[in-house]
Amino acid sequence: QVTLKESGPGMLQPSKTLSLTCSFSGFSLSTSGMVVSWIRQPSGKSLEWLAAIDWDGDKYYNPSLKSRLTVSKDTSNTQVFLKITSVDTADTATYYCARTTVILPPYYVMDAWGQGASVTVSS
Amino acid sequence: DIQMTQSPASLSASLGETVTIECRASEDIYNGLAWYQQKPGKSPQLLIYNANSLHTGVPSRFSGSGSGTQYSLKINSLQSEDVASYFCQQYYDYPWTFGGGTKLELK
Repeated sequence: QVTLKESGPGMLQPSKTLSLTCSFSGFSLSTSGMVVSWIRQPSGKSLEWLAAIDWDGDKYYNPSLKSRLTVSKDTSNTQVFLKITSVDTADTATYYCARTTVILPPYYVMDAWGQGASVTVSS
Repeated sequence: DIQMTQSPASLSASLGETVTIECRASEDIYNGLAWYQQKPGKSPQLLIYNANSLHTGVPSRFSGSGSGTQYSLKINSLQSEDVASYFCQQYYDYPWTFGGGTKLELK
């Protein structure tokens, strides 16, 4: 059974760095074709894809946020991390991680999502 | 970035009815399209990928179609558990982008 769970600070102040962790089980990020993505959703709004990291350690970022994002994974391939620097109120959202698998290269689909971690940026 | 325009933004339908949600891409995305269902307070769940392939475990009353820049999600015989928001997403090109969503309610 594939499960993912996001964890984060809940609340942080503007200008700080947001650190999020995605802990997962039921699949291995070392498997060829496997990817973990980060997506966020402000309350009542649509979804925004942020970043992804693949089995080979290659990283992909949304250009609109690229300068502020860093995605990484641990050596055991059971956790993926996302850092967002210089946060402001616009970064208030629920942050999801999702298993992303290759269906037909170069197409990938987010086929299992975590429950989400709510993050509020406020002074 | 590829812009995804979804319509309608909200939809009210009766049990047993057939509903259709549309998604238009700003350029050809060559069937690189997924549909997700998000129930209130829950995370999105994959319904359809490659525009018309049903994800494992998804009821057959859901179907996807389209090509080029125009895609649609159809729900046959609407059930109460289908009350949710629905999002399209293109994965043809980075950055992956989502439609604005369609909120489906029961009439």
